Amino acid sequence: EIVMTQSPATLSVSPGERATLSCRASQSVSSNLAWYQQKPGQAPRLLIYGASTRATGIPARFSGSGSGTEFTLTISRLQSEDFAVYYCQQYTEWWTFGQGTKVEIK
Amino acid sequence: QITLKESGPTLVKPTQTLTLTCTFSGFSLSTSGVGVAWIRQPPGKALEWLALIYRNDDKLYRPSLKSRLTITTDTSKSQVVLTMTNMDPVDTATYFCAHRPTTGSHPDYWGQGTLVTVSS
Repeated sequence: EIVMTQSPATLSVSPGERATLSCRASQSVSSNLAWYQQKPGQAPRLLIYGASTRATGIPARFSGSGSGTEFTLTISRLQSEDFAVYYCQQYTEWWTFGQGTKVEIK
Repeated sequence: QITLKESGPTLVKPTQTLTLTCTFSGFSLSTSGVGVAWIRQPPGKALEWLALIYRNDDKLYRPSLKSRLTITTDTSKSQVVLTMTNMDPVDTATYFCAHRPTTGSHPDYWGQGTLVTVSS
């Protein structure tokens, strides 16, 4: 099983600041990496796939980078609606998810 | 417009079998590469993929749960059914179904999820 490790577990950021979230795979997943946003009581929302391609309707302040085993999600200027939990997911070998990073208001 | 919606019991007893139904619209499982998956999330915890069905009858299961899971489809009703046997309190979770657009890809559209509690 490919294990996905996200860091940090919690990120405290002020509105308008930049947030940088990390995701590491236990073995190479090439660019088969997606990022999701989840708010309480809601289903995950696809943000990024192919490591760096924004999904339809996702604002440009969300960007993804990386390949192989190291990936980053950057939110350039946090808005109030961006405070949520973010998950990375690999889809090279079935599907596994990271443990999530909670982005909270500082 | 792709939509998915989960339905099933909210409470099951330990050792019982859970049956969940995902009713979908806006796509066909007959389309090459398209699939429907089940994913669960225990309260306050991370997401865990369970099973995937595609090409109407090809199936993949999470290896650690394979002996307990069965995924089937009723194409006439646009439904995917997941059964999980021998339920335990650790199986308490929100169960989501999700659409996979092409072979080897990620889920893009998700249902709202249904919370299943396992308790006597």
